[in-house]
Amino acid sequence: SQQGEEDPQALSIQEGENATMNCSYKTSINNLQWYRQNSGRGLVHLILIRSNEREKHSGRLRVTLDTSKKSSSLLITASRAADTASYFCATGFYNQGGKLIFGQGTELSVKP
Amino acid sequence: GAGVSQSPSNKVTEKGKDVELRCDPISGHTALYWYRQSLGQGLEFLIYFQGNSAPDKSGLPSDRFSAERTGGSVSTLTIQRTQQEDSAVYLCASSLDAGQAQPQHFGDGTRLSIL
Repeated sequence: SQQGEEDPQALSIQEGENATMNCSYKTSINNLQWYRQNSGRGLVHLILIRSNEREKHSGRLRVTLDTSKKSSSLLITASRAADTASYFCATGFYNQGGKLIFGQGTELSVKP
Repeated sequence: GAGVSQSPSNKVTEKGKDVELRCDPISGHTALYWYRQSLGQGLEFLIYFQGNSAPDKSGLPSDRFSAERTGGSVSTLTIQRTQQEDSAVYLCASSLDAGQAQPQHFGDGTRLSIL
């Protein structure tokens, strides 16, 4: 069964706007990761945030983690048409090796 | 190679046949993971390896599925007596080790279609 739920399922914005995607999960985690997937391709790792961290930045990406609410958000600022893809959150757990459980994903469309 | 390599990229086979999917991880990565992606089920964990051992096989859907890894490198995922519900994209990933909090590097997957 899926651990994470993401919303929205789909998001359509104009270039230059910001995109925010949310992820909620059910059980205690060790870390949470965000991945991007372009159509027909594998997943590309974007950012990893550990359970004792609250916020991380990487370029135009900002991720927050609220373990009390069991939720995370991914913000993409100043979006570009090339950001069009599906975005997945994935949770990792203590004592389960590197196994990740993925959410259902958010399909982002950025219109030029 | 520079990234995770999977073969074949596409496989079409008849129901009841056996199939073998191959994954070549990034050199030096000791951990290797198999996932399955389908429209109905999303991305599902199948199994992971640390070296040649598989500490967690909990995601394998049935005993028709098996996987092995030899030499701490290449892994094969075998599906016996394929069924139509096995149609999906099978993704392989690798990471430096199976210690917690490691980013995973994915191949482009094998798209399996069962007729």
